[in-house]
Amino acid sequence: ETGVTQTPRHLVMGMTNKKSLKCEQHLGHNAMYWYKQSAKKPLELMFVYSLEERVENNSVPSRFSPECPNSSHLFLHLHTLQPEDSALYLCASSQVFLGQGLYEQYFGPGTRLTVT
Amino acid sequence: AQSVTQLGSHVSVSEGALVLLRCNYSSSVPPYLFWYVQYPNQGLQLLLKYTTGATLVKGINGFEAEFKKSETSFHLTKPSAHMSDAAEYFCAVSLSGGADGLTFGKGTHLIIQP
Repeated sequence: ETGVTQTPRHLVMGMTNKKSLKCEQHLGHNAMYWYKQSAKKPLELMFVYSLEERVENNSVPSRFSPECPNSSHLFLHLHTLQPEDSALYLCASSQVFLGQGLYEQYFGPGTRLTVT
Repeated sequence: AQSVTQLGSHVSVSEGALVLLRCNYSSSVPPYLFWYVQYPNQGLQLLLKYTTGATLVKGINGFEAEFKKSETSFHLTKPSAHMSDAAEYFCAVSLSGGADGLTFGKGTHLIIQP
């Protein structure tokens, strides 16, 4: 595997289900990100794990719970979702150094989530 | 706070014609700027990026963008459109170079007419 991979590519779940999205980066990066891409809306940054610190986005509902067990893996745990949570969920990674710099983000193909 | 505005949710050009996709940003300090492309059923791919220095930035697939501070713009251009350029294009901005994530525009769908 190369780059950033995401599984599953497609997921259909009911509002009472619990599921998890998985992201793995094979680039040796130390920062990972979750974005939500909904129709007719800009990509929304959900969570960041950078230099082993989690950066919160206070607008993300608690029914979304991220987990980053190591620098290569990122999960998004889902429970009690709503139909409006249906979207493409994109994972990205980058290599972050201390101080100023430009941290190019590499994106995975996304998981298309449908909540019924 | 920073934000990005992409004028035109859809842009249609003829094959061989000039491509111009507009992006304006708002930021209290000079930001880092990016253009990404997304093909159907794929993730985002970086086209080009601006940090500091030269204001005309060249990217992949013949695309380039010019940073104009006075106009707070970072428009994307390509001299001659190809059918394979049909995709969704996103402008993004960051104050931290991307370490804390990117702020994206809504995207512009580029349609290439034969």
